[in-house]
Amino acid sequence: DAGVTQSPTHLIKTRGQHVTLRCSPISGHKSVSWYQQVLGQGPQFIFQYYEKEERGRGNFPDRFSARQFPNYSSELNVNALLLGDSALYLCASSFGAGDFTDTQYFGPGTRLTVL
Amino acid sequence: GIQVEQSPPDLILQEGANSTLRCNFSDSVNNLQWFHQNPWGQLINLFYIPSGTKQNGRLSATTVATERYSLLYISSSQTTDSGVYFCAVERGDYKLSFGAGTTVTVRA
Repeated sequence: DAGVTQSPTHLIKTRGQHVTLRCSPISGHKSVSWYQQVLGQGPQFIFQYYEKEERGRGNFPDRFSARQFPNYSSELNVNALLLGDSALYLCASSFGAGDFTDTQYFGPGTRLTVL
Repeated sequence: GIQVEQSPPDLILQEGANSTLRCNFSDSVNNLQWFHQNPWGQLINLFYIPSGTKQNGRLSATTVATERYSLLYISSSQTTDSGVYFCAVERGDYKLSFGAGTTVTVRA
């Protein structure tokens, strides 16, 4: 079975632009989470979606938004890009049922560079 | 939010050596996971261990939730064990918080 897939692999944008990152979960998984990993640091939680509803949001500005589609794939959108948004963006999927985050399966990430 | 501290920050091992990585957290949690990030950036889940002890091959983990820490043991280390090991915790709010990681280098 295919793992979590993310696209694109790499992306270069300039300040002020908008970006959309995409994630396809493992078949059968209904939850998708997004994380930002700055070089040299641990991943920082951005969002978690389950059955198309947001059920967790980290400490990120409103420039960051996401959604989950009926096929459980997800998009992360970032508006008005800043230099500090340069990072590896990771998507993770899981079955999602339960009162807390279950085992996370990560995709390879999208490397975003903002110039 | 909940604080997660990992130690040591860096660890250099000779192939075949054993090691222990530690994760301390500042509040009670109902979810704790260990991950390995390889040199190419791929994160792999090692253990889902909110309490108790689990083993998977040469790796094992123990979480003592009442004392707010978890330990990851690597035995007979191999060069493929190199990478960054992360601990992540959650209090039931669907917000998984990661530590800064322990960078492990295994030399042949």
